[in-house]
Amino acid sequence: KQEVTQIPAALSVPEGENLVLNCSFTDSAIYNLQWFRQDPGKGLTSLLLIQSSQREQTSGRLNASLDKSSGRSTLYIAASQPGDSATYLCAVVFSNSNSGYALNFGKGTSLLVTP
Amino acid sequence: GAVVSQHPSRVICKSGTSVKIECRSLDFQATTMFWYRQFPKQSLMLMATSNEGSKATYEQGVEKDKFLINHASLTLSTLTVTSAHPEDSSFYICSASAPRGSLGDSPLHFGNGTRLTVT
Repeated sequence: KQEVTQIPAALSVPEGENLVLNCSFTDSAIYNLQWFRQDPGKGLTSLLLIQSSQREQTSGRLNASLDKSSGRSTLYIAASQPGDSATYLCAVVFSNSNSGYALNFGKGTSLLVTP
Repeated sequence: GAVVSQHPSRVICKSGTSVKIECRSLDFQATTMFWYRQFPKQSLMLMATSNEGSKATYEQGVEKDKFLINHASLTLSTLTVTSAHPEDSSFYICSASAPRGSLGDSPLHFGNGTRLTVT
């Protein structure tokens, strides 16, 4: 069974700091791994997607890495800003014999960036 | 890019009434749709998987008679919360999957969610 764990559950940092969010998964047979952002009461915003054959993806101040063999991914946020405050969710996409694809989420890391 | 539309975005209803939530794939045929539920400060949890033209597969602990899922076409799936109670108040999100490979490298697309409040 694919289980996704995110550490830490919550994080508070002052503006300008670089930070790392961690995600681990138990079954390395994944199709891809996605990082999402969720603002309170809102849906999901896709941040980065890493295919199973890739090791990292970058978008602006965000960099996500993937080590499939060890079942780990990290999301690096450079020069954090108050607008980065949100919950960050990690999810792995894997093949499901019944439905083609399935996606399991971690519980998220709640980030607060203070001015 | 692929778009999934979920409606309504917010609904308030009285206890005992039923609420229908729609999930549409706007520019692709979704062979599979997933319904998730998120309680406050908790992660998204898969409720059920629906394949077009067949019965939905429910996750353990999800009452299929309470959460009716209909996936009658390749672009529409509906979730009906029957006889809603305050404990059903939650954030419901759908996602849709296209046939493997047809949408490049992002096989799952999400709606913006529905905030259900049962009074």
